[in-house]
Amino acid sequence: AQTVTQSQPEMSVQEAETVTLSCTYDTSENNYYLFWYKQPPSRQMILVIRQEAYKQQNATENRFSVNFQKAAKSFSLKISDSQLGDTAMYFCAFMKRRVGAQKLVFGQGTRLTINP
Amino acid sequence: DTEVTQTPKHLVMGMTNKKSLKCEQHMGHRAMYWYKQKAKKPPELMFVYSYEKLSINESVPSRFSPECPNSSLLNLHLHALQPEDSALYLCASSQHWDRGPEQPQHFGDGTRLSIL
Repeated sequence: AQTVTQSQPEMSVQEAETVTLSCTYDTSENNYYLFWYKQPPSRQMILVIRQEAYKQQNATENRFSVNFQKAAKSFSLKISDSQLGDTAMYFCAFMKRRVGAQKLVFGQGTRLTINP
Repeated sequence: DTEVTQTPKHLVMGMTNKKSLKCEQHMGHRAMYWYKQKAKKPPELMFVYSYEKLSINESVPSRFSPECPNSSLLNLHLHALQPEDSALYLCASSQHWDRGPEQPQHFGDGTRLSIL
Protein backbone atom coordinates (compact mmCIF):
# COMPACT_ATOMS: atom_id res chain seq x y z
CA ALA A 1 0.00 0.00 0.00
CA GLN A 2 1.09 3.52 -0.70
CA THR A 3 1.48 6.11 2.02
CA VAL A 4 2.07 9.84 1.79
CA THR A 5 3.55 11.81 4.67
CA GLN A 6 3.52 15.55 5.16
CA SER A 7 5.57 16.28 8.25
CA GLN A 8 4.62 19.96 8.62
CA PRO A 9 1.05 20.33 9.92
CA GLU A 10 1.28 24.13 9.81
CA MET A 11 3.56 26.76 8.32
CA SER A 12 3.51 30.53 8.31
CA VAL A 13 5.57 33.01 6.28
CA GLN A 14 5.51 36.67 5.36
CA GLU A 15 4.17 37.82 2.03
CA ALA A 16 6.78 37.76 -0.78
CA GLU A 17 8.90 35.16 0.99
CA THR A 18 9.69 31.75 -0.42
CA VAL A 19 8.32 28.70 1.36
CA THR A 20 8.90 24.98 0.87
CA LEU A 21 6.40 22.31 1.85
CA SER A 22 7.74 18.80 2.31
CA CYS A 23 6.22 15.50 1.23
CA THR A 24 7.56 11.98 1.33
CA TYR A 25 5.89 8.84 0.10
CA ASP A 26 6.35 5.14 0.22
CA THR A 27 5.65 2.85 -2.71
CA SER A 28 6.98 -0.17 -4.52
CA GLU A 29 5.64 1.14 -7.82
CA ASN A 30 8.02 2.43 -10.47
CA ASN A 31 5.52 4.40 -12.53
CA TYR A 32 3.29 6.86 -10.76
CA TYR A 33 2.14 10.45 -10.56
CA LEU A 34 2.53 12.94 -7.75
CA PHE A 35 0.35 15.98 -7.21
CA TRP A 36 0.06 19.01 -5.01
CA TYR A 37 -3.48 20.20 -4.39
CA LYS A 38 -4.49 23.43 -2.69
CA GLN A 39 -7.69 23.79 -0.67
CA PRO A 40 -8.48 27.37 0.39
CA PRO A 41 -11.07 28.10 3.08
CA SER A 42 -13.58 28.32 0.23
CA ARG A 43 -13.27 24.51 0.09
CA GLN A 44 -12.60 23.80 -3.56
CA MET A 45 -9.63 21.51 -4.09
CA ILE A 46 -7.45 22.97 -6.85
CA LEU A 47 -4.60 21.22 -8.63
CA VAL A 48 -1.39 23.22 -8.19
CA ILE A 49 1.17 21.06 -9.94
CA ARG A 50 1.84 17.47 -10.95
CA GLN A 51 4.89 15.35 -11.65
CA GLU A 52 5.26 12.17 -13.65
CA ALA A 53 7.68 9.83 -11.93
CA TYR A 54 9.33 8.80 -15.19
CA LYS A 55 10.30 12.40 -15.92
CA GLN A 56 13.51 13.57 -14.32
CA GLN A 57 12.83 17.25 -14.91
CA ASN A 58 11.09 18.98 -12.02
CA ALA A 59 7.69 20.41 -12.86
CA THR A 60 7.11 24.17 -12.62
CA GLU A 61 3.96 26.28 -12.83
CA ASN A 62 4.67 29.99 -12.56
CA ARG A 63 5.59 30.63 -8.89
CA PHE A 64 5.21 26.96 -7.98
CA SER A 65 7.90 24.37 -8.51
CA VAL A 66 8.72 20.96 -7.14
CA ASN A 67 11.88 19.21 -6.08
CA PHE A 68 11.30 15.58 -7.03
CA GLN A 69 13.85 13.13 -5.65
CA LYS A 70 12.70 9.71 -6.83
CA ALA A 71 15.35 7.68 -5.03
CA ALA A 72 14.63 9.46 -1.76
CA LYS A 73 10.85 9.33 -2.44
CA SER A 74 10.59 13.01 -1.75
CA PHE A 75 8.37 15.56 -3.47
CA SER A 76 8.57 19.05 -2.00
CA LEU A 77 6.67 22.12 -3.21
CA LYS A 78 8.35 25.51 -3.40
CA ILE A 79 6.25 28.65 -3.56
CA SER A 80 8.19 31.72 -4.61
CA ASP A 81 7.11 35.31 -3.98
CA SER A 82 4.27 34.08 -1.78
CA GLN A 83 0.96 35.95 -1.94
CA LEU A 84 -1.92 36.32 0.50
CA GLY A 85 -4.04 34.21 -1.84
CA ASP A 86 -1.68 31.29 -1.32
CA THR A 87 -3.10 30.85 2.18
CA ALA A 88 -4.68 27.39 2.12
CA MET A 89 -4.38 23.76 3.08
CA TYR A 90 -1.93 21.99 0.78
CA PHE A 91 -2.21 18.27 0.13
CA CYS A 92 0.42 16.10 -1.47
CA ALA A 93 -1.07 13.13 -3.35
CA PHE A 94 0.10 9.96 -5.07
CA MET A 95 -1.47 7.93 -7.87
CA LYS A 96 -0.27 4.75 -9.55
CA ARG A 97 0.26 4.93 -13.30
CA ARG A 98 -1.74 1.93 -14.43
CA VAL A 99 -4.74 1.19 -16.56
CA GLY A 100 -7.82 0.76 -14.47
CA ALA A 101 -9.31 2.44 -11.46
CA GLN A 102 -6.71 4.22 -9.41
CA LYS A 103 -6.98 6.06 -6.16
CA LEU A 104 -5.52 9.38 -5.19
CA VAL A 105 -3.71 8.79 -1.90
CA PHE A 106 -3.45 12.03 0.04
CA GLY A 107 -1.09 13.13 2.77
CA GLN A 108 -2.48 14.70 5.94
CA GLY A 109 -1.97 18.21 4.63
CA THR A 110 -0.02 21.33 5.57
CA ARG A 111 -1.89 24.45 6.57
CA LEU A 112 -0.01 27.39 5.06
CA THR A 113 -0.64 30.95 6.18
CA ILE A 114 0.80 33.93 4.31
CA ASN A 115 0.98 36.97 6.56
CA PRO A 116 0.84 40.55 5.24
CA ASP B 1 -15.43 29.29 -11.19
CA THR B 2 -15.61 25.58 -10.62
CA GLU B 3 -16.33 23.32 -13.60
CA VAL B 4 -17.74 20.67 -11.30
CA THR B 5 -20.97 21.88 -9.73
CA GLN B 6 -22.29 20.40 -6.51
CA THR B 7 -25.68 21.01 -4.95
CA PRO B 8 -26.71 21.78 -2.33
CA LYS B 9 -23.80 23.65 -0.76
CA HIS B 10 -25.11 22.93 2.73
CA LEU B 11 -27.45 20.24 3.98
CA VAL B 12 -28.79 19.57 7.45
CA MET B 13 -30.76 16.39 7.92
CA GLY B 14 -32.04 14.13 10.63
CA MET B 15 -31.00 10.53 10.99
CA THR B 16 -34.29 9.27 9.57
CA ASN B 17 -34.34 11.54 6.52
CA LYS B 18 -33.63 10.63 2.92
CA LYS B 19 -31.76 13.16 0.84
CA SER B 20 -29.53 13.28 -2.21
CA LEU B 21 -26.36 15.12 -3.16
CA LYS B 22 -25.90 16.09 -6.77
CA CYS B 23 -22.80 16.61 -8.87
CA GLU B 24 -22.65 17.80 -12.47
CA GLN B 25 -19.85 18.36 -14.96
CA HIS B 26 -19.88 19.28 -18.65
CA MET B 27 -16.23 18.75 -19.46
CA GLY B 28 -16.82 15.41 -21.17
CA HIS B 29 -15.11 13.56 -18.34
CA ARG B 30 -15.97 9.86 -18.14
CA ALA B 31 -14.78 9.23 -14.59
CA MET B 32 -16.49 10.68 -11.54
CA TYR B 33 -15.67 10.35 -7.86
CA TRP B 34 -17.17 10.87 -4.44
CA TYR B 35 -14.93 11.78 -1.50
CA LYS B 36 -15.67 12.36 2.16
CA GLN B 37 -13.60 14.94 4.01
CA LYS B 38 -13.66 15.50 7.76
CA ALA B 39 -12.39 18.77 9.20
CA LYS B 40 -8.63 19.26 8.91
CA LYS B 41 -8.24 15.87 7.25
CA PRO B 42 -7.51 14.82 3.67
CA PRO B 43 -10.31 13.60 1.41
CA GLU B 44 -11.13 9.91 1.58
CA LEU B 45 -12.28 8.17 -1.56
CA MET B 46 -15.75 6.62 -1.37
CA PHE B 47 -16.77 5.67 -4.93
CA VAL B 48 -15.47 5.83 -8.48
CA TYR B 49 -17.63 5.66 -11.60
CA SER B 50 -16.17 4.96 -15.01
CA TYR B 51 -18.38 5.27 -18.07
CA GLU B 52 -21.41 5.40 -15.79
CA LYS B 53 -20.52 2.12 -14.08
CA LEU B 54 -19.38 1.74 -10.50
CA SER B 55 -15.76 0.60 -10.53
CA ILE B 56 -14.57 1.28 -6.98
CA ASN B 57 -16.50 1.10 -3.73
CA GLU B 58 -14.21 1.70 -0.78
CA SER B 59 -16.28 -0.42 1.59
CA VAL B 60 -18.72 2.41 2.14
CA PRO B 61 -21.77 1.64 4.34
CA SER B 62 -24.96 0.95 2.44
CA ARG B 63 -26.62 4.04 3.87
CA PHE B 64 -24.67 5.82 1.11
CA SER B 65 -25.95 4.87 -2.34
CA PRO B 66 -24.28 6.33 -5.44
CA GLU B 67 -25.92 6.68 -8.80
CA CYS B 68 -24.60 7.80 -12.18
CA PRO B 69 -27.59 8.35 -14.48
CA ASN B 70 -25.46 9.71 -17.34
CA SER B 71 -21.94 10.83 -18.10
CA SER B 72 -22.51 14.32 -16.72
CA LEU B 73 -24.34 13.56 -13.51
CA LEU B 74 -23.42 11.84 -10.27
CA ASN B 75 -25.73 11.49 -7.31
CA LEU B 76 -25.19 10.31 -3.77
CA HIS B 77 -28.36 9.13 -2.06
CA LEU B 78 -28.37 9.33 1.72
CA HIS B 79 -30.57 7.38 4.10
CA ALA B 80 -30.45 6.74 7.84
CA LEU B 81 -27.17 8.53 8.30
CA GLN B 82 -25.31 8.73 11.59
CA PRO B 83 -23.85 11.84 13.29
CA GLU B 84 -20.35 10.67 12.37
CA ASP B 85 -21.31 11.02 8.71
CA SER B 86 -21.26 14.79 9.12
CA ALA B 87 -18.52 15.98 6.77
CA LEU B 88 -17.73 17.79 3.54
CA TYR B 89 -18.61 15.62 0.55
CA LEU B 90 -16.55 16.35 -2.52
CA CYS B 91 -17.25 15.32 -6.07
CA ALA B 92 -14.51 15.14 -8.68
CA SER B 93 -14.21 14.21 -12.33
CA SER B 94 -11.40 13.34 -14.71
CA GLN B 95 -10.86 12.40 -18.32
CA HIS B 96 -9.60 9.11 -19.74
CA TRP B 97 -8.57 7.81 -16.33
CA ASP B 98 -8.93 4.21 -17.42
CA ARG B 99 -6.12 4.63 -19.92
CA GLY B 100 -3.81 5.86 -17.22
CA PRO B 101 -4.09 8.70 -14.74
CA GLU B 102 -2.65 11.32 -17.06
CA GLN B 103 -5.55 13.64 -16.44
CA PRO B 104 -5.91 15.22 -13.02
CA GLN B 105 -9.10 15.20 -11.06
CA HIS B 106 -11.17 18.38 -11.00
CA PHE B 107 -13.03 18.94 -7.76
CA GLY B 108 -16.28 20.68 -6.94
CA ASP B 109 -16.84 23.02 -3.99
CA GLY B 110 -18.41 20.27 -1.95
CA THR B 111 -21.57 19.85 0.09
CA ARG B 112 -21.29 20.50 3.81
CA LEU B 113 -23.48 17.83 5.42
CA SER B 114 -24.61 17.97 9.03
CA ILE B 115 -26.51 15.10 10.64
CA LEU B 116 -28.62 15.99 13.65
